Amino acid sequence: QQQVKQSPQSLIVQKGGIPIINCAYENTAFDYFPWYQQFPGKGPALLIAIRPDVSEKKEGRFTISFNKSAKQFSLHIMDSQPGDSATYFCAARTVQKVTFGTGTKLQVIP
Amino acid sequence: DAGITQSPRHKVTETGTPVTLRCHQTENHRYMYWYRQDPGHGLRLIHYSYGVKDTDKGEVSDGYSVSRSKTEDFLLTLESATSSQTSVYFCAISQSTDTQYFGPGTRLTVL
Repeated sequence: QQQVKQSPQSLIVQKGGIPIINCAYENTAFDYFPWYQQFPGKGPALLIAIRPDVSEKKEGRFTISFNKSAKQFSLHIMDSQPGDSATYFCAARTVQKVTFGTGTKLQVIP
Repeated sequence: DAGITQSPRHKVTETGTPVTLRCHQTENHRYMYWYRQDPGHGLRLIHYSYGVKDTDKGEVSDGYSVSRSKTEDFLLTLESATSSQTSVYFCAISQSTDTQYFGPGTRLTVL
C-alpha cells in the first residue's frame, strides 16, 4: 500500500528552470515531511523538511510548499543547476516509521 | 557522511542460500533501519530497531530477519535468498525519528 504518492517519475529541465515535484498523502497521522536527495551510487541524504503547522519553508534554492487541507506537499528548486541532477524522494513520518514516495529522477540540462 | 558502513558493498549469491548484510554505526544513534530500493518502488522499510534487542517489522519483512545485539550493529539476514530479493539494500540510523542518515548501500544479486 503506497501511502505517499509522488509525481512525476522523471523530469527534465533546462538550467535555470524551476522543477516542481509533487507528493500526496492520506494518513493524517503523518507529522513530519522530509525530502531526500540521492546521487547515483550513494545513499539518500536529507535535503529539507517541513512540519504540518507551516505552509512553506525555504533553504537556499529549495522550497517546500505544504497544503494541509489538500494533504499535498511539493518541492521547488529555484535556478536549477546541472549539479541538482539526482533522484528526489518525498517522505512522511509517523511515530517510528518513515514512508517514502517512489522517487523523481531529475535531469538539469546545461 | 554520518559514521555508517555497510558490508559487503556488493554480493552475488544463488537462490536458496542464506545471506547476512551488516550495518555498523559509530554515532551511537538509537534507531536503525533496513530498506530496500527498487525501481518504481522507492525505498521500502524491511525492519527497524529502536534499541538493543528491540526490533519490529516494516512493510516488506517476509523472508527477512534482523538482529541487534549491540548499539552499533544491525544485521539483516535473508534466510533463503530468492531472485525477488535482488535489490539495493540501505541501512539508516537516526537519533530521534526526524532525520535519517543513510549508509552507502549494498547491491545484492540473487541468481
